[in-house]
Amino acid sequence: EAGVAQSPRYKIIEKRQSVAFWCNPISGHATLYWYQQILGQGPKLLIQFQNNGVVDDSQLPKDRFSAERLKGVDSTLKIQPAKLEDSAVYLCASSHFREQYFGPGTRLTVT
Amino acid sequence: AQKITQTQPGMFVQEKEAVTLDCTYDTSDQSYGLFWYKQPSSGEMIFLIYQGSYDEQNATEGRYSLNFQKARKSANLVISASQLGDSAMYFCAMRERYGGSQGNLIFGKGTKLSVKP
Repeated sequence: EAGVAQSPRYKIIEKRQSVAFWCNPISGHATLYWYQQILGQGPKLLIQFQNNGVVDDSQLPKDRFSAERLKGVDSTLKIQPAKLEDSAVYLCASSHFREQYFGPGTRLTVT
Repeated sequence: AQKITQTQPGMFVQEKEAVTLDCTYDTSDQSYGLFWYKQPSSGEMIFLIYQGSYDEQNATEGRYSLNFQKARKSANLVISASQLGDSAMYFCAMRERYGGSQGNLIFGKGTKLSVKP
């Protein structure tokens, strides 16, 4: 069974630029999550989808972050414009029932 | 208030010995789930073990066991017979609103485990 796929793995941008991350969850997993992991901390939820509907986006900075999950499968997370404090690893996870399965993450550096 | 507390930023253990990683949690829910994940330097979070709040027995998965003390609100991870490949960050996490796939995970700050040969 293929795992959660994410791309790109690494991205370096300048502040005020925009960036997009892509996630393909495990086949059949209805729930998809985006987490932000700042260096030295545990992951923090940004947004949770159930199929293509948003379940929880309470911690998503909506003035600059947006996410969508087209057709209830793939998802993209966008940051526009990026700030220095957005430098982090962005993890995508999916679940069918209990445990969440994570992708390898995208390491974003904002200079 | 922190929901998940991991008080050990770093731990060392000798290869083949057992090690306990501490985790305490805070919730007013009666139904919740506790998870441990391993994050190697490659960055991917790997699920290790799960304990439900109503589970009477401590969870075990191979060399991993969870020492669940509900009254103390602690869920310590025990790794037996440590291996060099166990060197990684370990995160304790909690899901409130037990059941199904609803409810995101709340993570602690992690413990960095280093296994010495």
